[in-house]
Amino acid sequence: AQSVTQPDIHITVSEGASLELRCNYSYGATPYLFWYVQSPGQGLQLLLKYFSGDTLVQGIKGFEAEFKRSQSSFNLRKPSVHWSDAAEYFCAVGHSNTGNQFYFGTGTSLTVIP
Amino acid sequence: ETGVTQTPRHLVMGMTNKKSLKCEQHLGHNAMYWYKQSAKKPLELMFVYNFKEQTENNSVPSRFSPECPNSSHLFLHLHTLQPEDSALYLCASSYLGQGTNAFFGQGTRLTVV
Repeated sequence: AQSVTQPDIHITVSEGASLELRCNYSYGATPYLFWYVQSPGQGLQLLLKYFSGDTLVQGIKGFEAEFKRSQSSFNLRKPSVHWSDAAEYFCAVGHSNTGNQFYFGTGTSLTVIP
Repeated sequence: ETGVTQTPRHLVMGMTNKKSLKCEQHLGHNAMYWYKQSAKKPLELMFVYNFKEQTENNSVPSRFSPECPNSSHLFLHLHTLQPEDSALYLCASSYLGQGTNAFFGQGTRLTVV
């Protein structure tokens, strides 16, 4: 069965510092991987996704993620965090069987301090 | 604005009430989903509809009853809920096929009293 683990429940970084959010997945075939961001009271917005090809994926808002098959990881990074990046971040794995199904991790809450 | 609209945004209901959540998408997608988001838990996939046909029901209690009259609209009918059903209910839609991503609505914050 597929699953997603986000080992960090909460992370605090200073504005301007670099950021890395961890994600590990369990999936039997080639995974389709996603990172979403959720601001308070809002739905989830897609940051980036990986299907195939280049293992370093660029997303919106200056985020990137790297797929490492050997480590079953898809960590999200940003070189310089802005205060507006404070939010909840979700990693997800998707596959298609009879239809699309998306499975999410528990999320990582990011606090940005001035 | 993601193209997926949920109403109402907030709902407070008693355990004996009947209410419905509505979701609408104008993205031309052919799959729609209901997720439940509770604190400290992963998003729980509740129901999946492909071309208006339900293809997934993840052991959801019968007090939640989905309805998908067409590919653009999805409802979640609620009756005799429990306080533990209080959560953020998220609707999403996507194209069918491998690797497509889901677009989410802003959710309905449900409180059962």
